[in-house]
Amino acid sequence: DADVTQTPRNRITKTGKRIMLECSQTKGHDRMYWYRQDPGLGLRLIYYSFDVKDINKGEISDGYSVSRQAQAKFSLSLESAIPNQTALYFCATSDLGGREAFFGQGTRLTVV
Amino acid sequence: AQKITQTQPGMFVQEKEAVTLDCTYDTSDQSYGLFWYKQPSSGEMIFLIYQGSYDEQNATEGRYSLNFQKARKSANLVISASQLGDSAMYFCAMREGQNYGQNFVFGPGTRLSVLP
Repeated sequence: DADVTQTPRNRITKTGKRIMLECSQTKGHDRMYWYRQDPGLGLRLIYYSFDVKDINKGEISDGYSVSRQAQAKFSLSLESAIPNQTALYFCATSDLGGREAFFGQGTRLTVV
Repeated sequence: AQKITQTQPGMFVQEKEAVTLDCTYDTSDQSYGLFWYKQPSSGEMIFLIYQGSYDEQNATEGRYSLNFQKARKSANLVISASQLGDSAMYFCAMREGQNYGQNFVFGPGTRLSVLP
């Protein structure tokens, strides 16, 4: 089993729909992140969480919300999806020492 | 200003040869970490190598090594004995600040193609 698991792996949704992307990890890391990847732009940070009670906005948080349900679970929601949110989304975790960082397999989201 | 610069959008290398992928970074912090990730066409992000700003030795992991030149703020990835399976996008990333883990900043990536 993967250390960081994202569900779903692929999703097509309609404009205006609410959608949730889920992430779970078995690394025991406190720190979790959500990124989106667009061609030519690398990865950009949406939200990050240092522990269950800590949520922080990243570079591009508008239109997104997150929930840290447990140390191992961090979900990303699009309240009302729009086409320019079509992207590859990654969840990541890291340890306190800062030398390890692991990514999920990615969720390819298409908003039509 | 760009925090991470990767000036090579695409690179070609002959199989079994070595290749260097460039990365320069910009930070005013003394404590930071530098990472390289590989993204094959399947899309996953695979961790390759890590270099801490206080590490005195250049990091190595198998065929991967990181040429860390702190004064020049560069962290180039060297892949020795390239293999066809090395064809992928490669991203340089930095985590900065005393509060490790605050954020990763990624470069735009370099697409490496290994030729048979």
